[in-house]
Amino acid sequence: GIQVEQSPPDLILQEGANSTLRCNFSDSVNNLQWFHQNPWGQLINLFYIPSGTKQNGRLSATTVATERYSLLYISSSQTTDSGVYFCAVDEKLTFGTGTRLTIIP
Amino acid sequence: GAVVSQHPSWVICKSGTSVKIECRSLDFQATTMFWYRQFPKQSLMLMATSNEGSKATYEQGVEKDKFLINHASLTLSTLTVTSAHPEDSSFYICSARRGGAGETQYFGPGTRLLVL
Repeated sequence: GIQVEQSPPDLILQEGANSTLRCNFSDSVNNLQWFHQNPWGQLINLFYIPSGTKQNGRLSATTVATERYSLLYISSSQTTDSGVYFCAVDEKLTFGTGTRLTIIP
Repeated sequence: GAVVSQHPSWVICKSGTSVKIECRSLDFQATTMFWYRQFPKQSLMLMATSNEGSKATYEQGVEKDKFLINHASLTLSTLTVTSAHPEDSSFYICSARRGGAGETQYFGPGTRLLVL
């Protein structure tokens, strides 16, 4: 099956910093979503982005389908951004390995 | 819009008992619902996919007789963990999709199961 790897696995940043999270996938996909899992376990949809670029406030995402990767950008980080970020691909949502983000005040 | 609830949010049970977890789409009709399992500090793994009124499709390695899934209506799916054992302790998360394959999935808050 398709493999989905995310990097970095862990990221610790000071409040206000910017970050880039990466998602690599092993085969072509027609669905890619980014999620934020908060410390209580709730998954929150961030972007549905099989290709192209989207922005929502301080977050933006870019997927280059031909090169099999997607990037999630977080600007001006806040402590509420802490949690685990997952990308997931395809109809069955094969989840990536996740990036654990910790924002320090 | 697109709210999915799960009940209970956490459950502790004795080994050998069965536990039922409900997943409801509150403000939309879900043609398809999905059940995932997440162990601590790991990613989500899909267990099964269910469509209303038909049998669930289980992923490889998931025991159908142990994890019973019933998708009785367009707003309700249930997962029953039968004869639970400590290794079944995990975080179970459902999601619901209102349309076809290109539609977004919306996730419930999860159910933490601890089997003693």
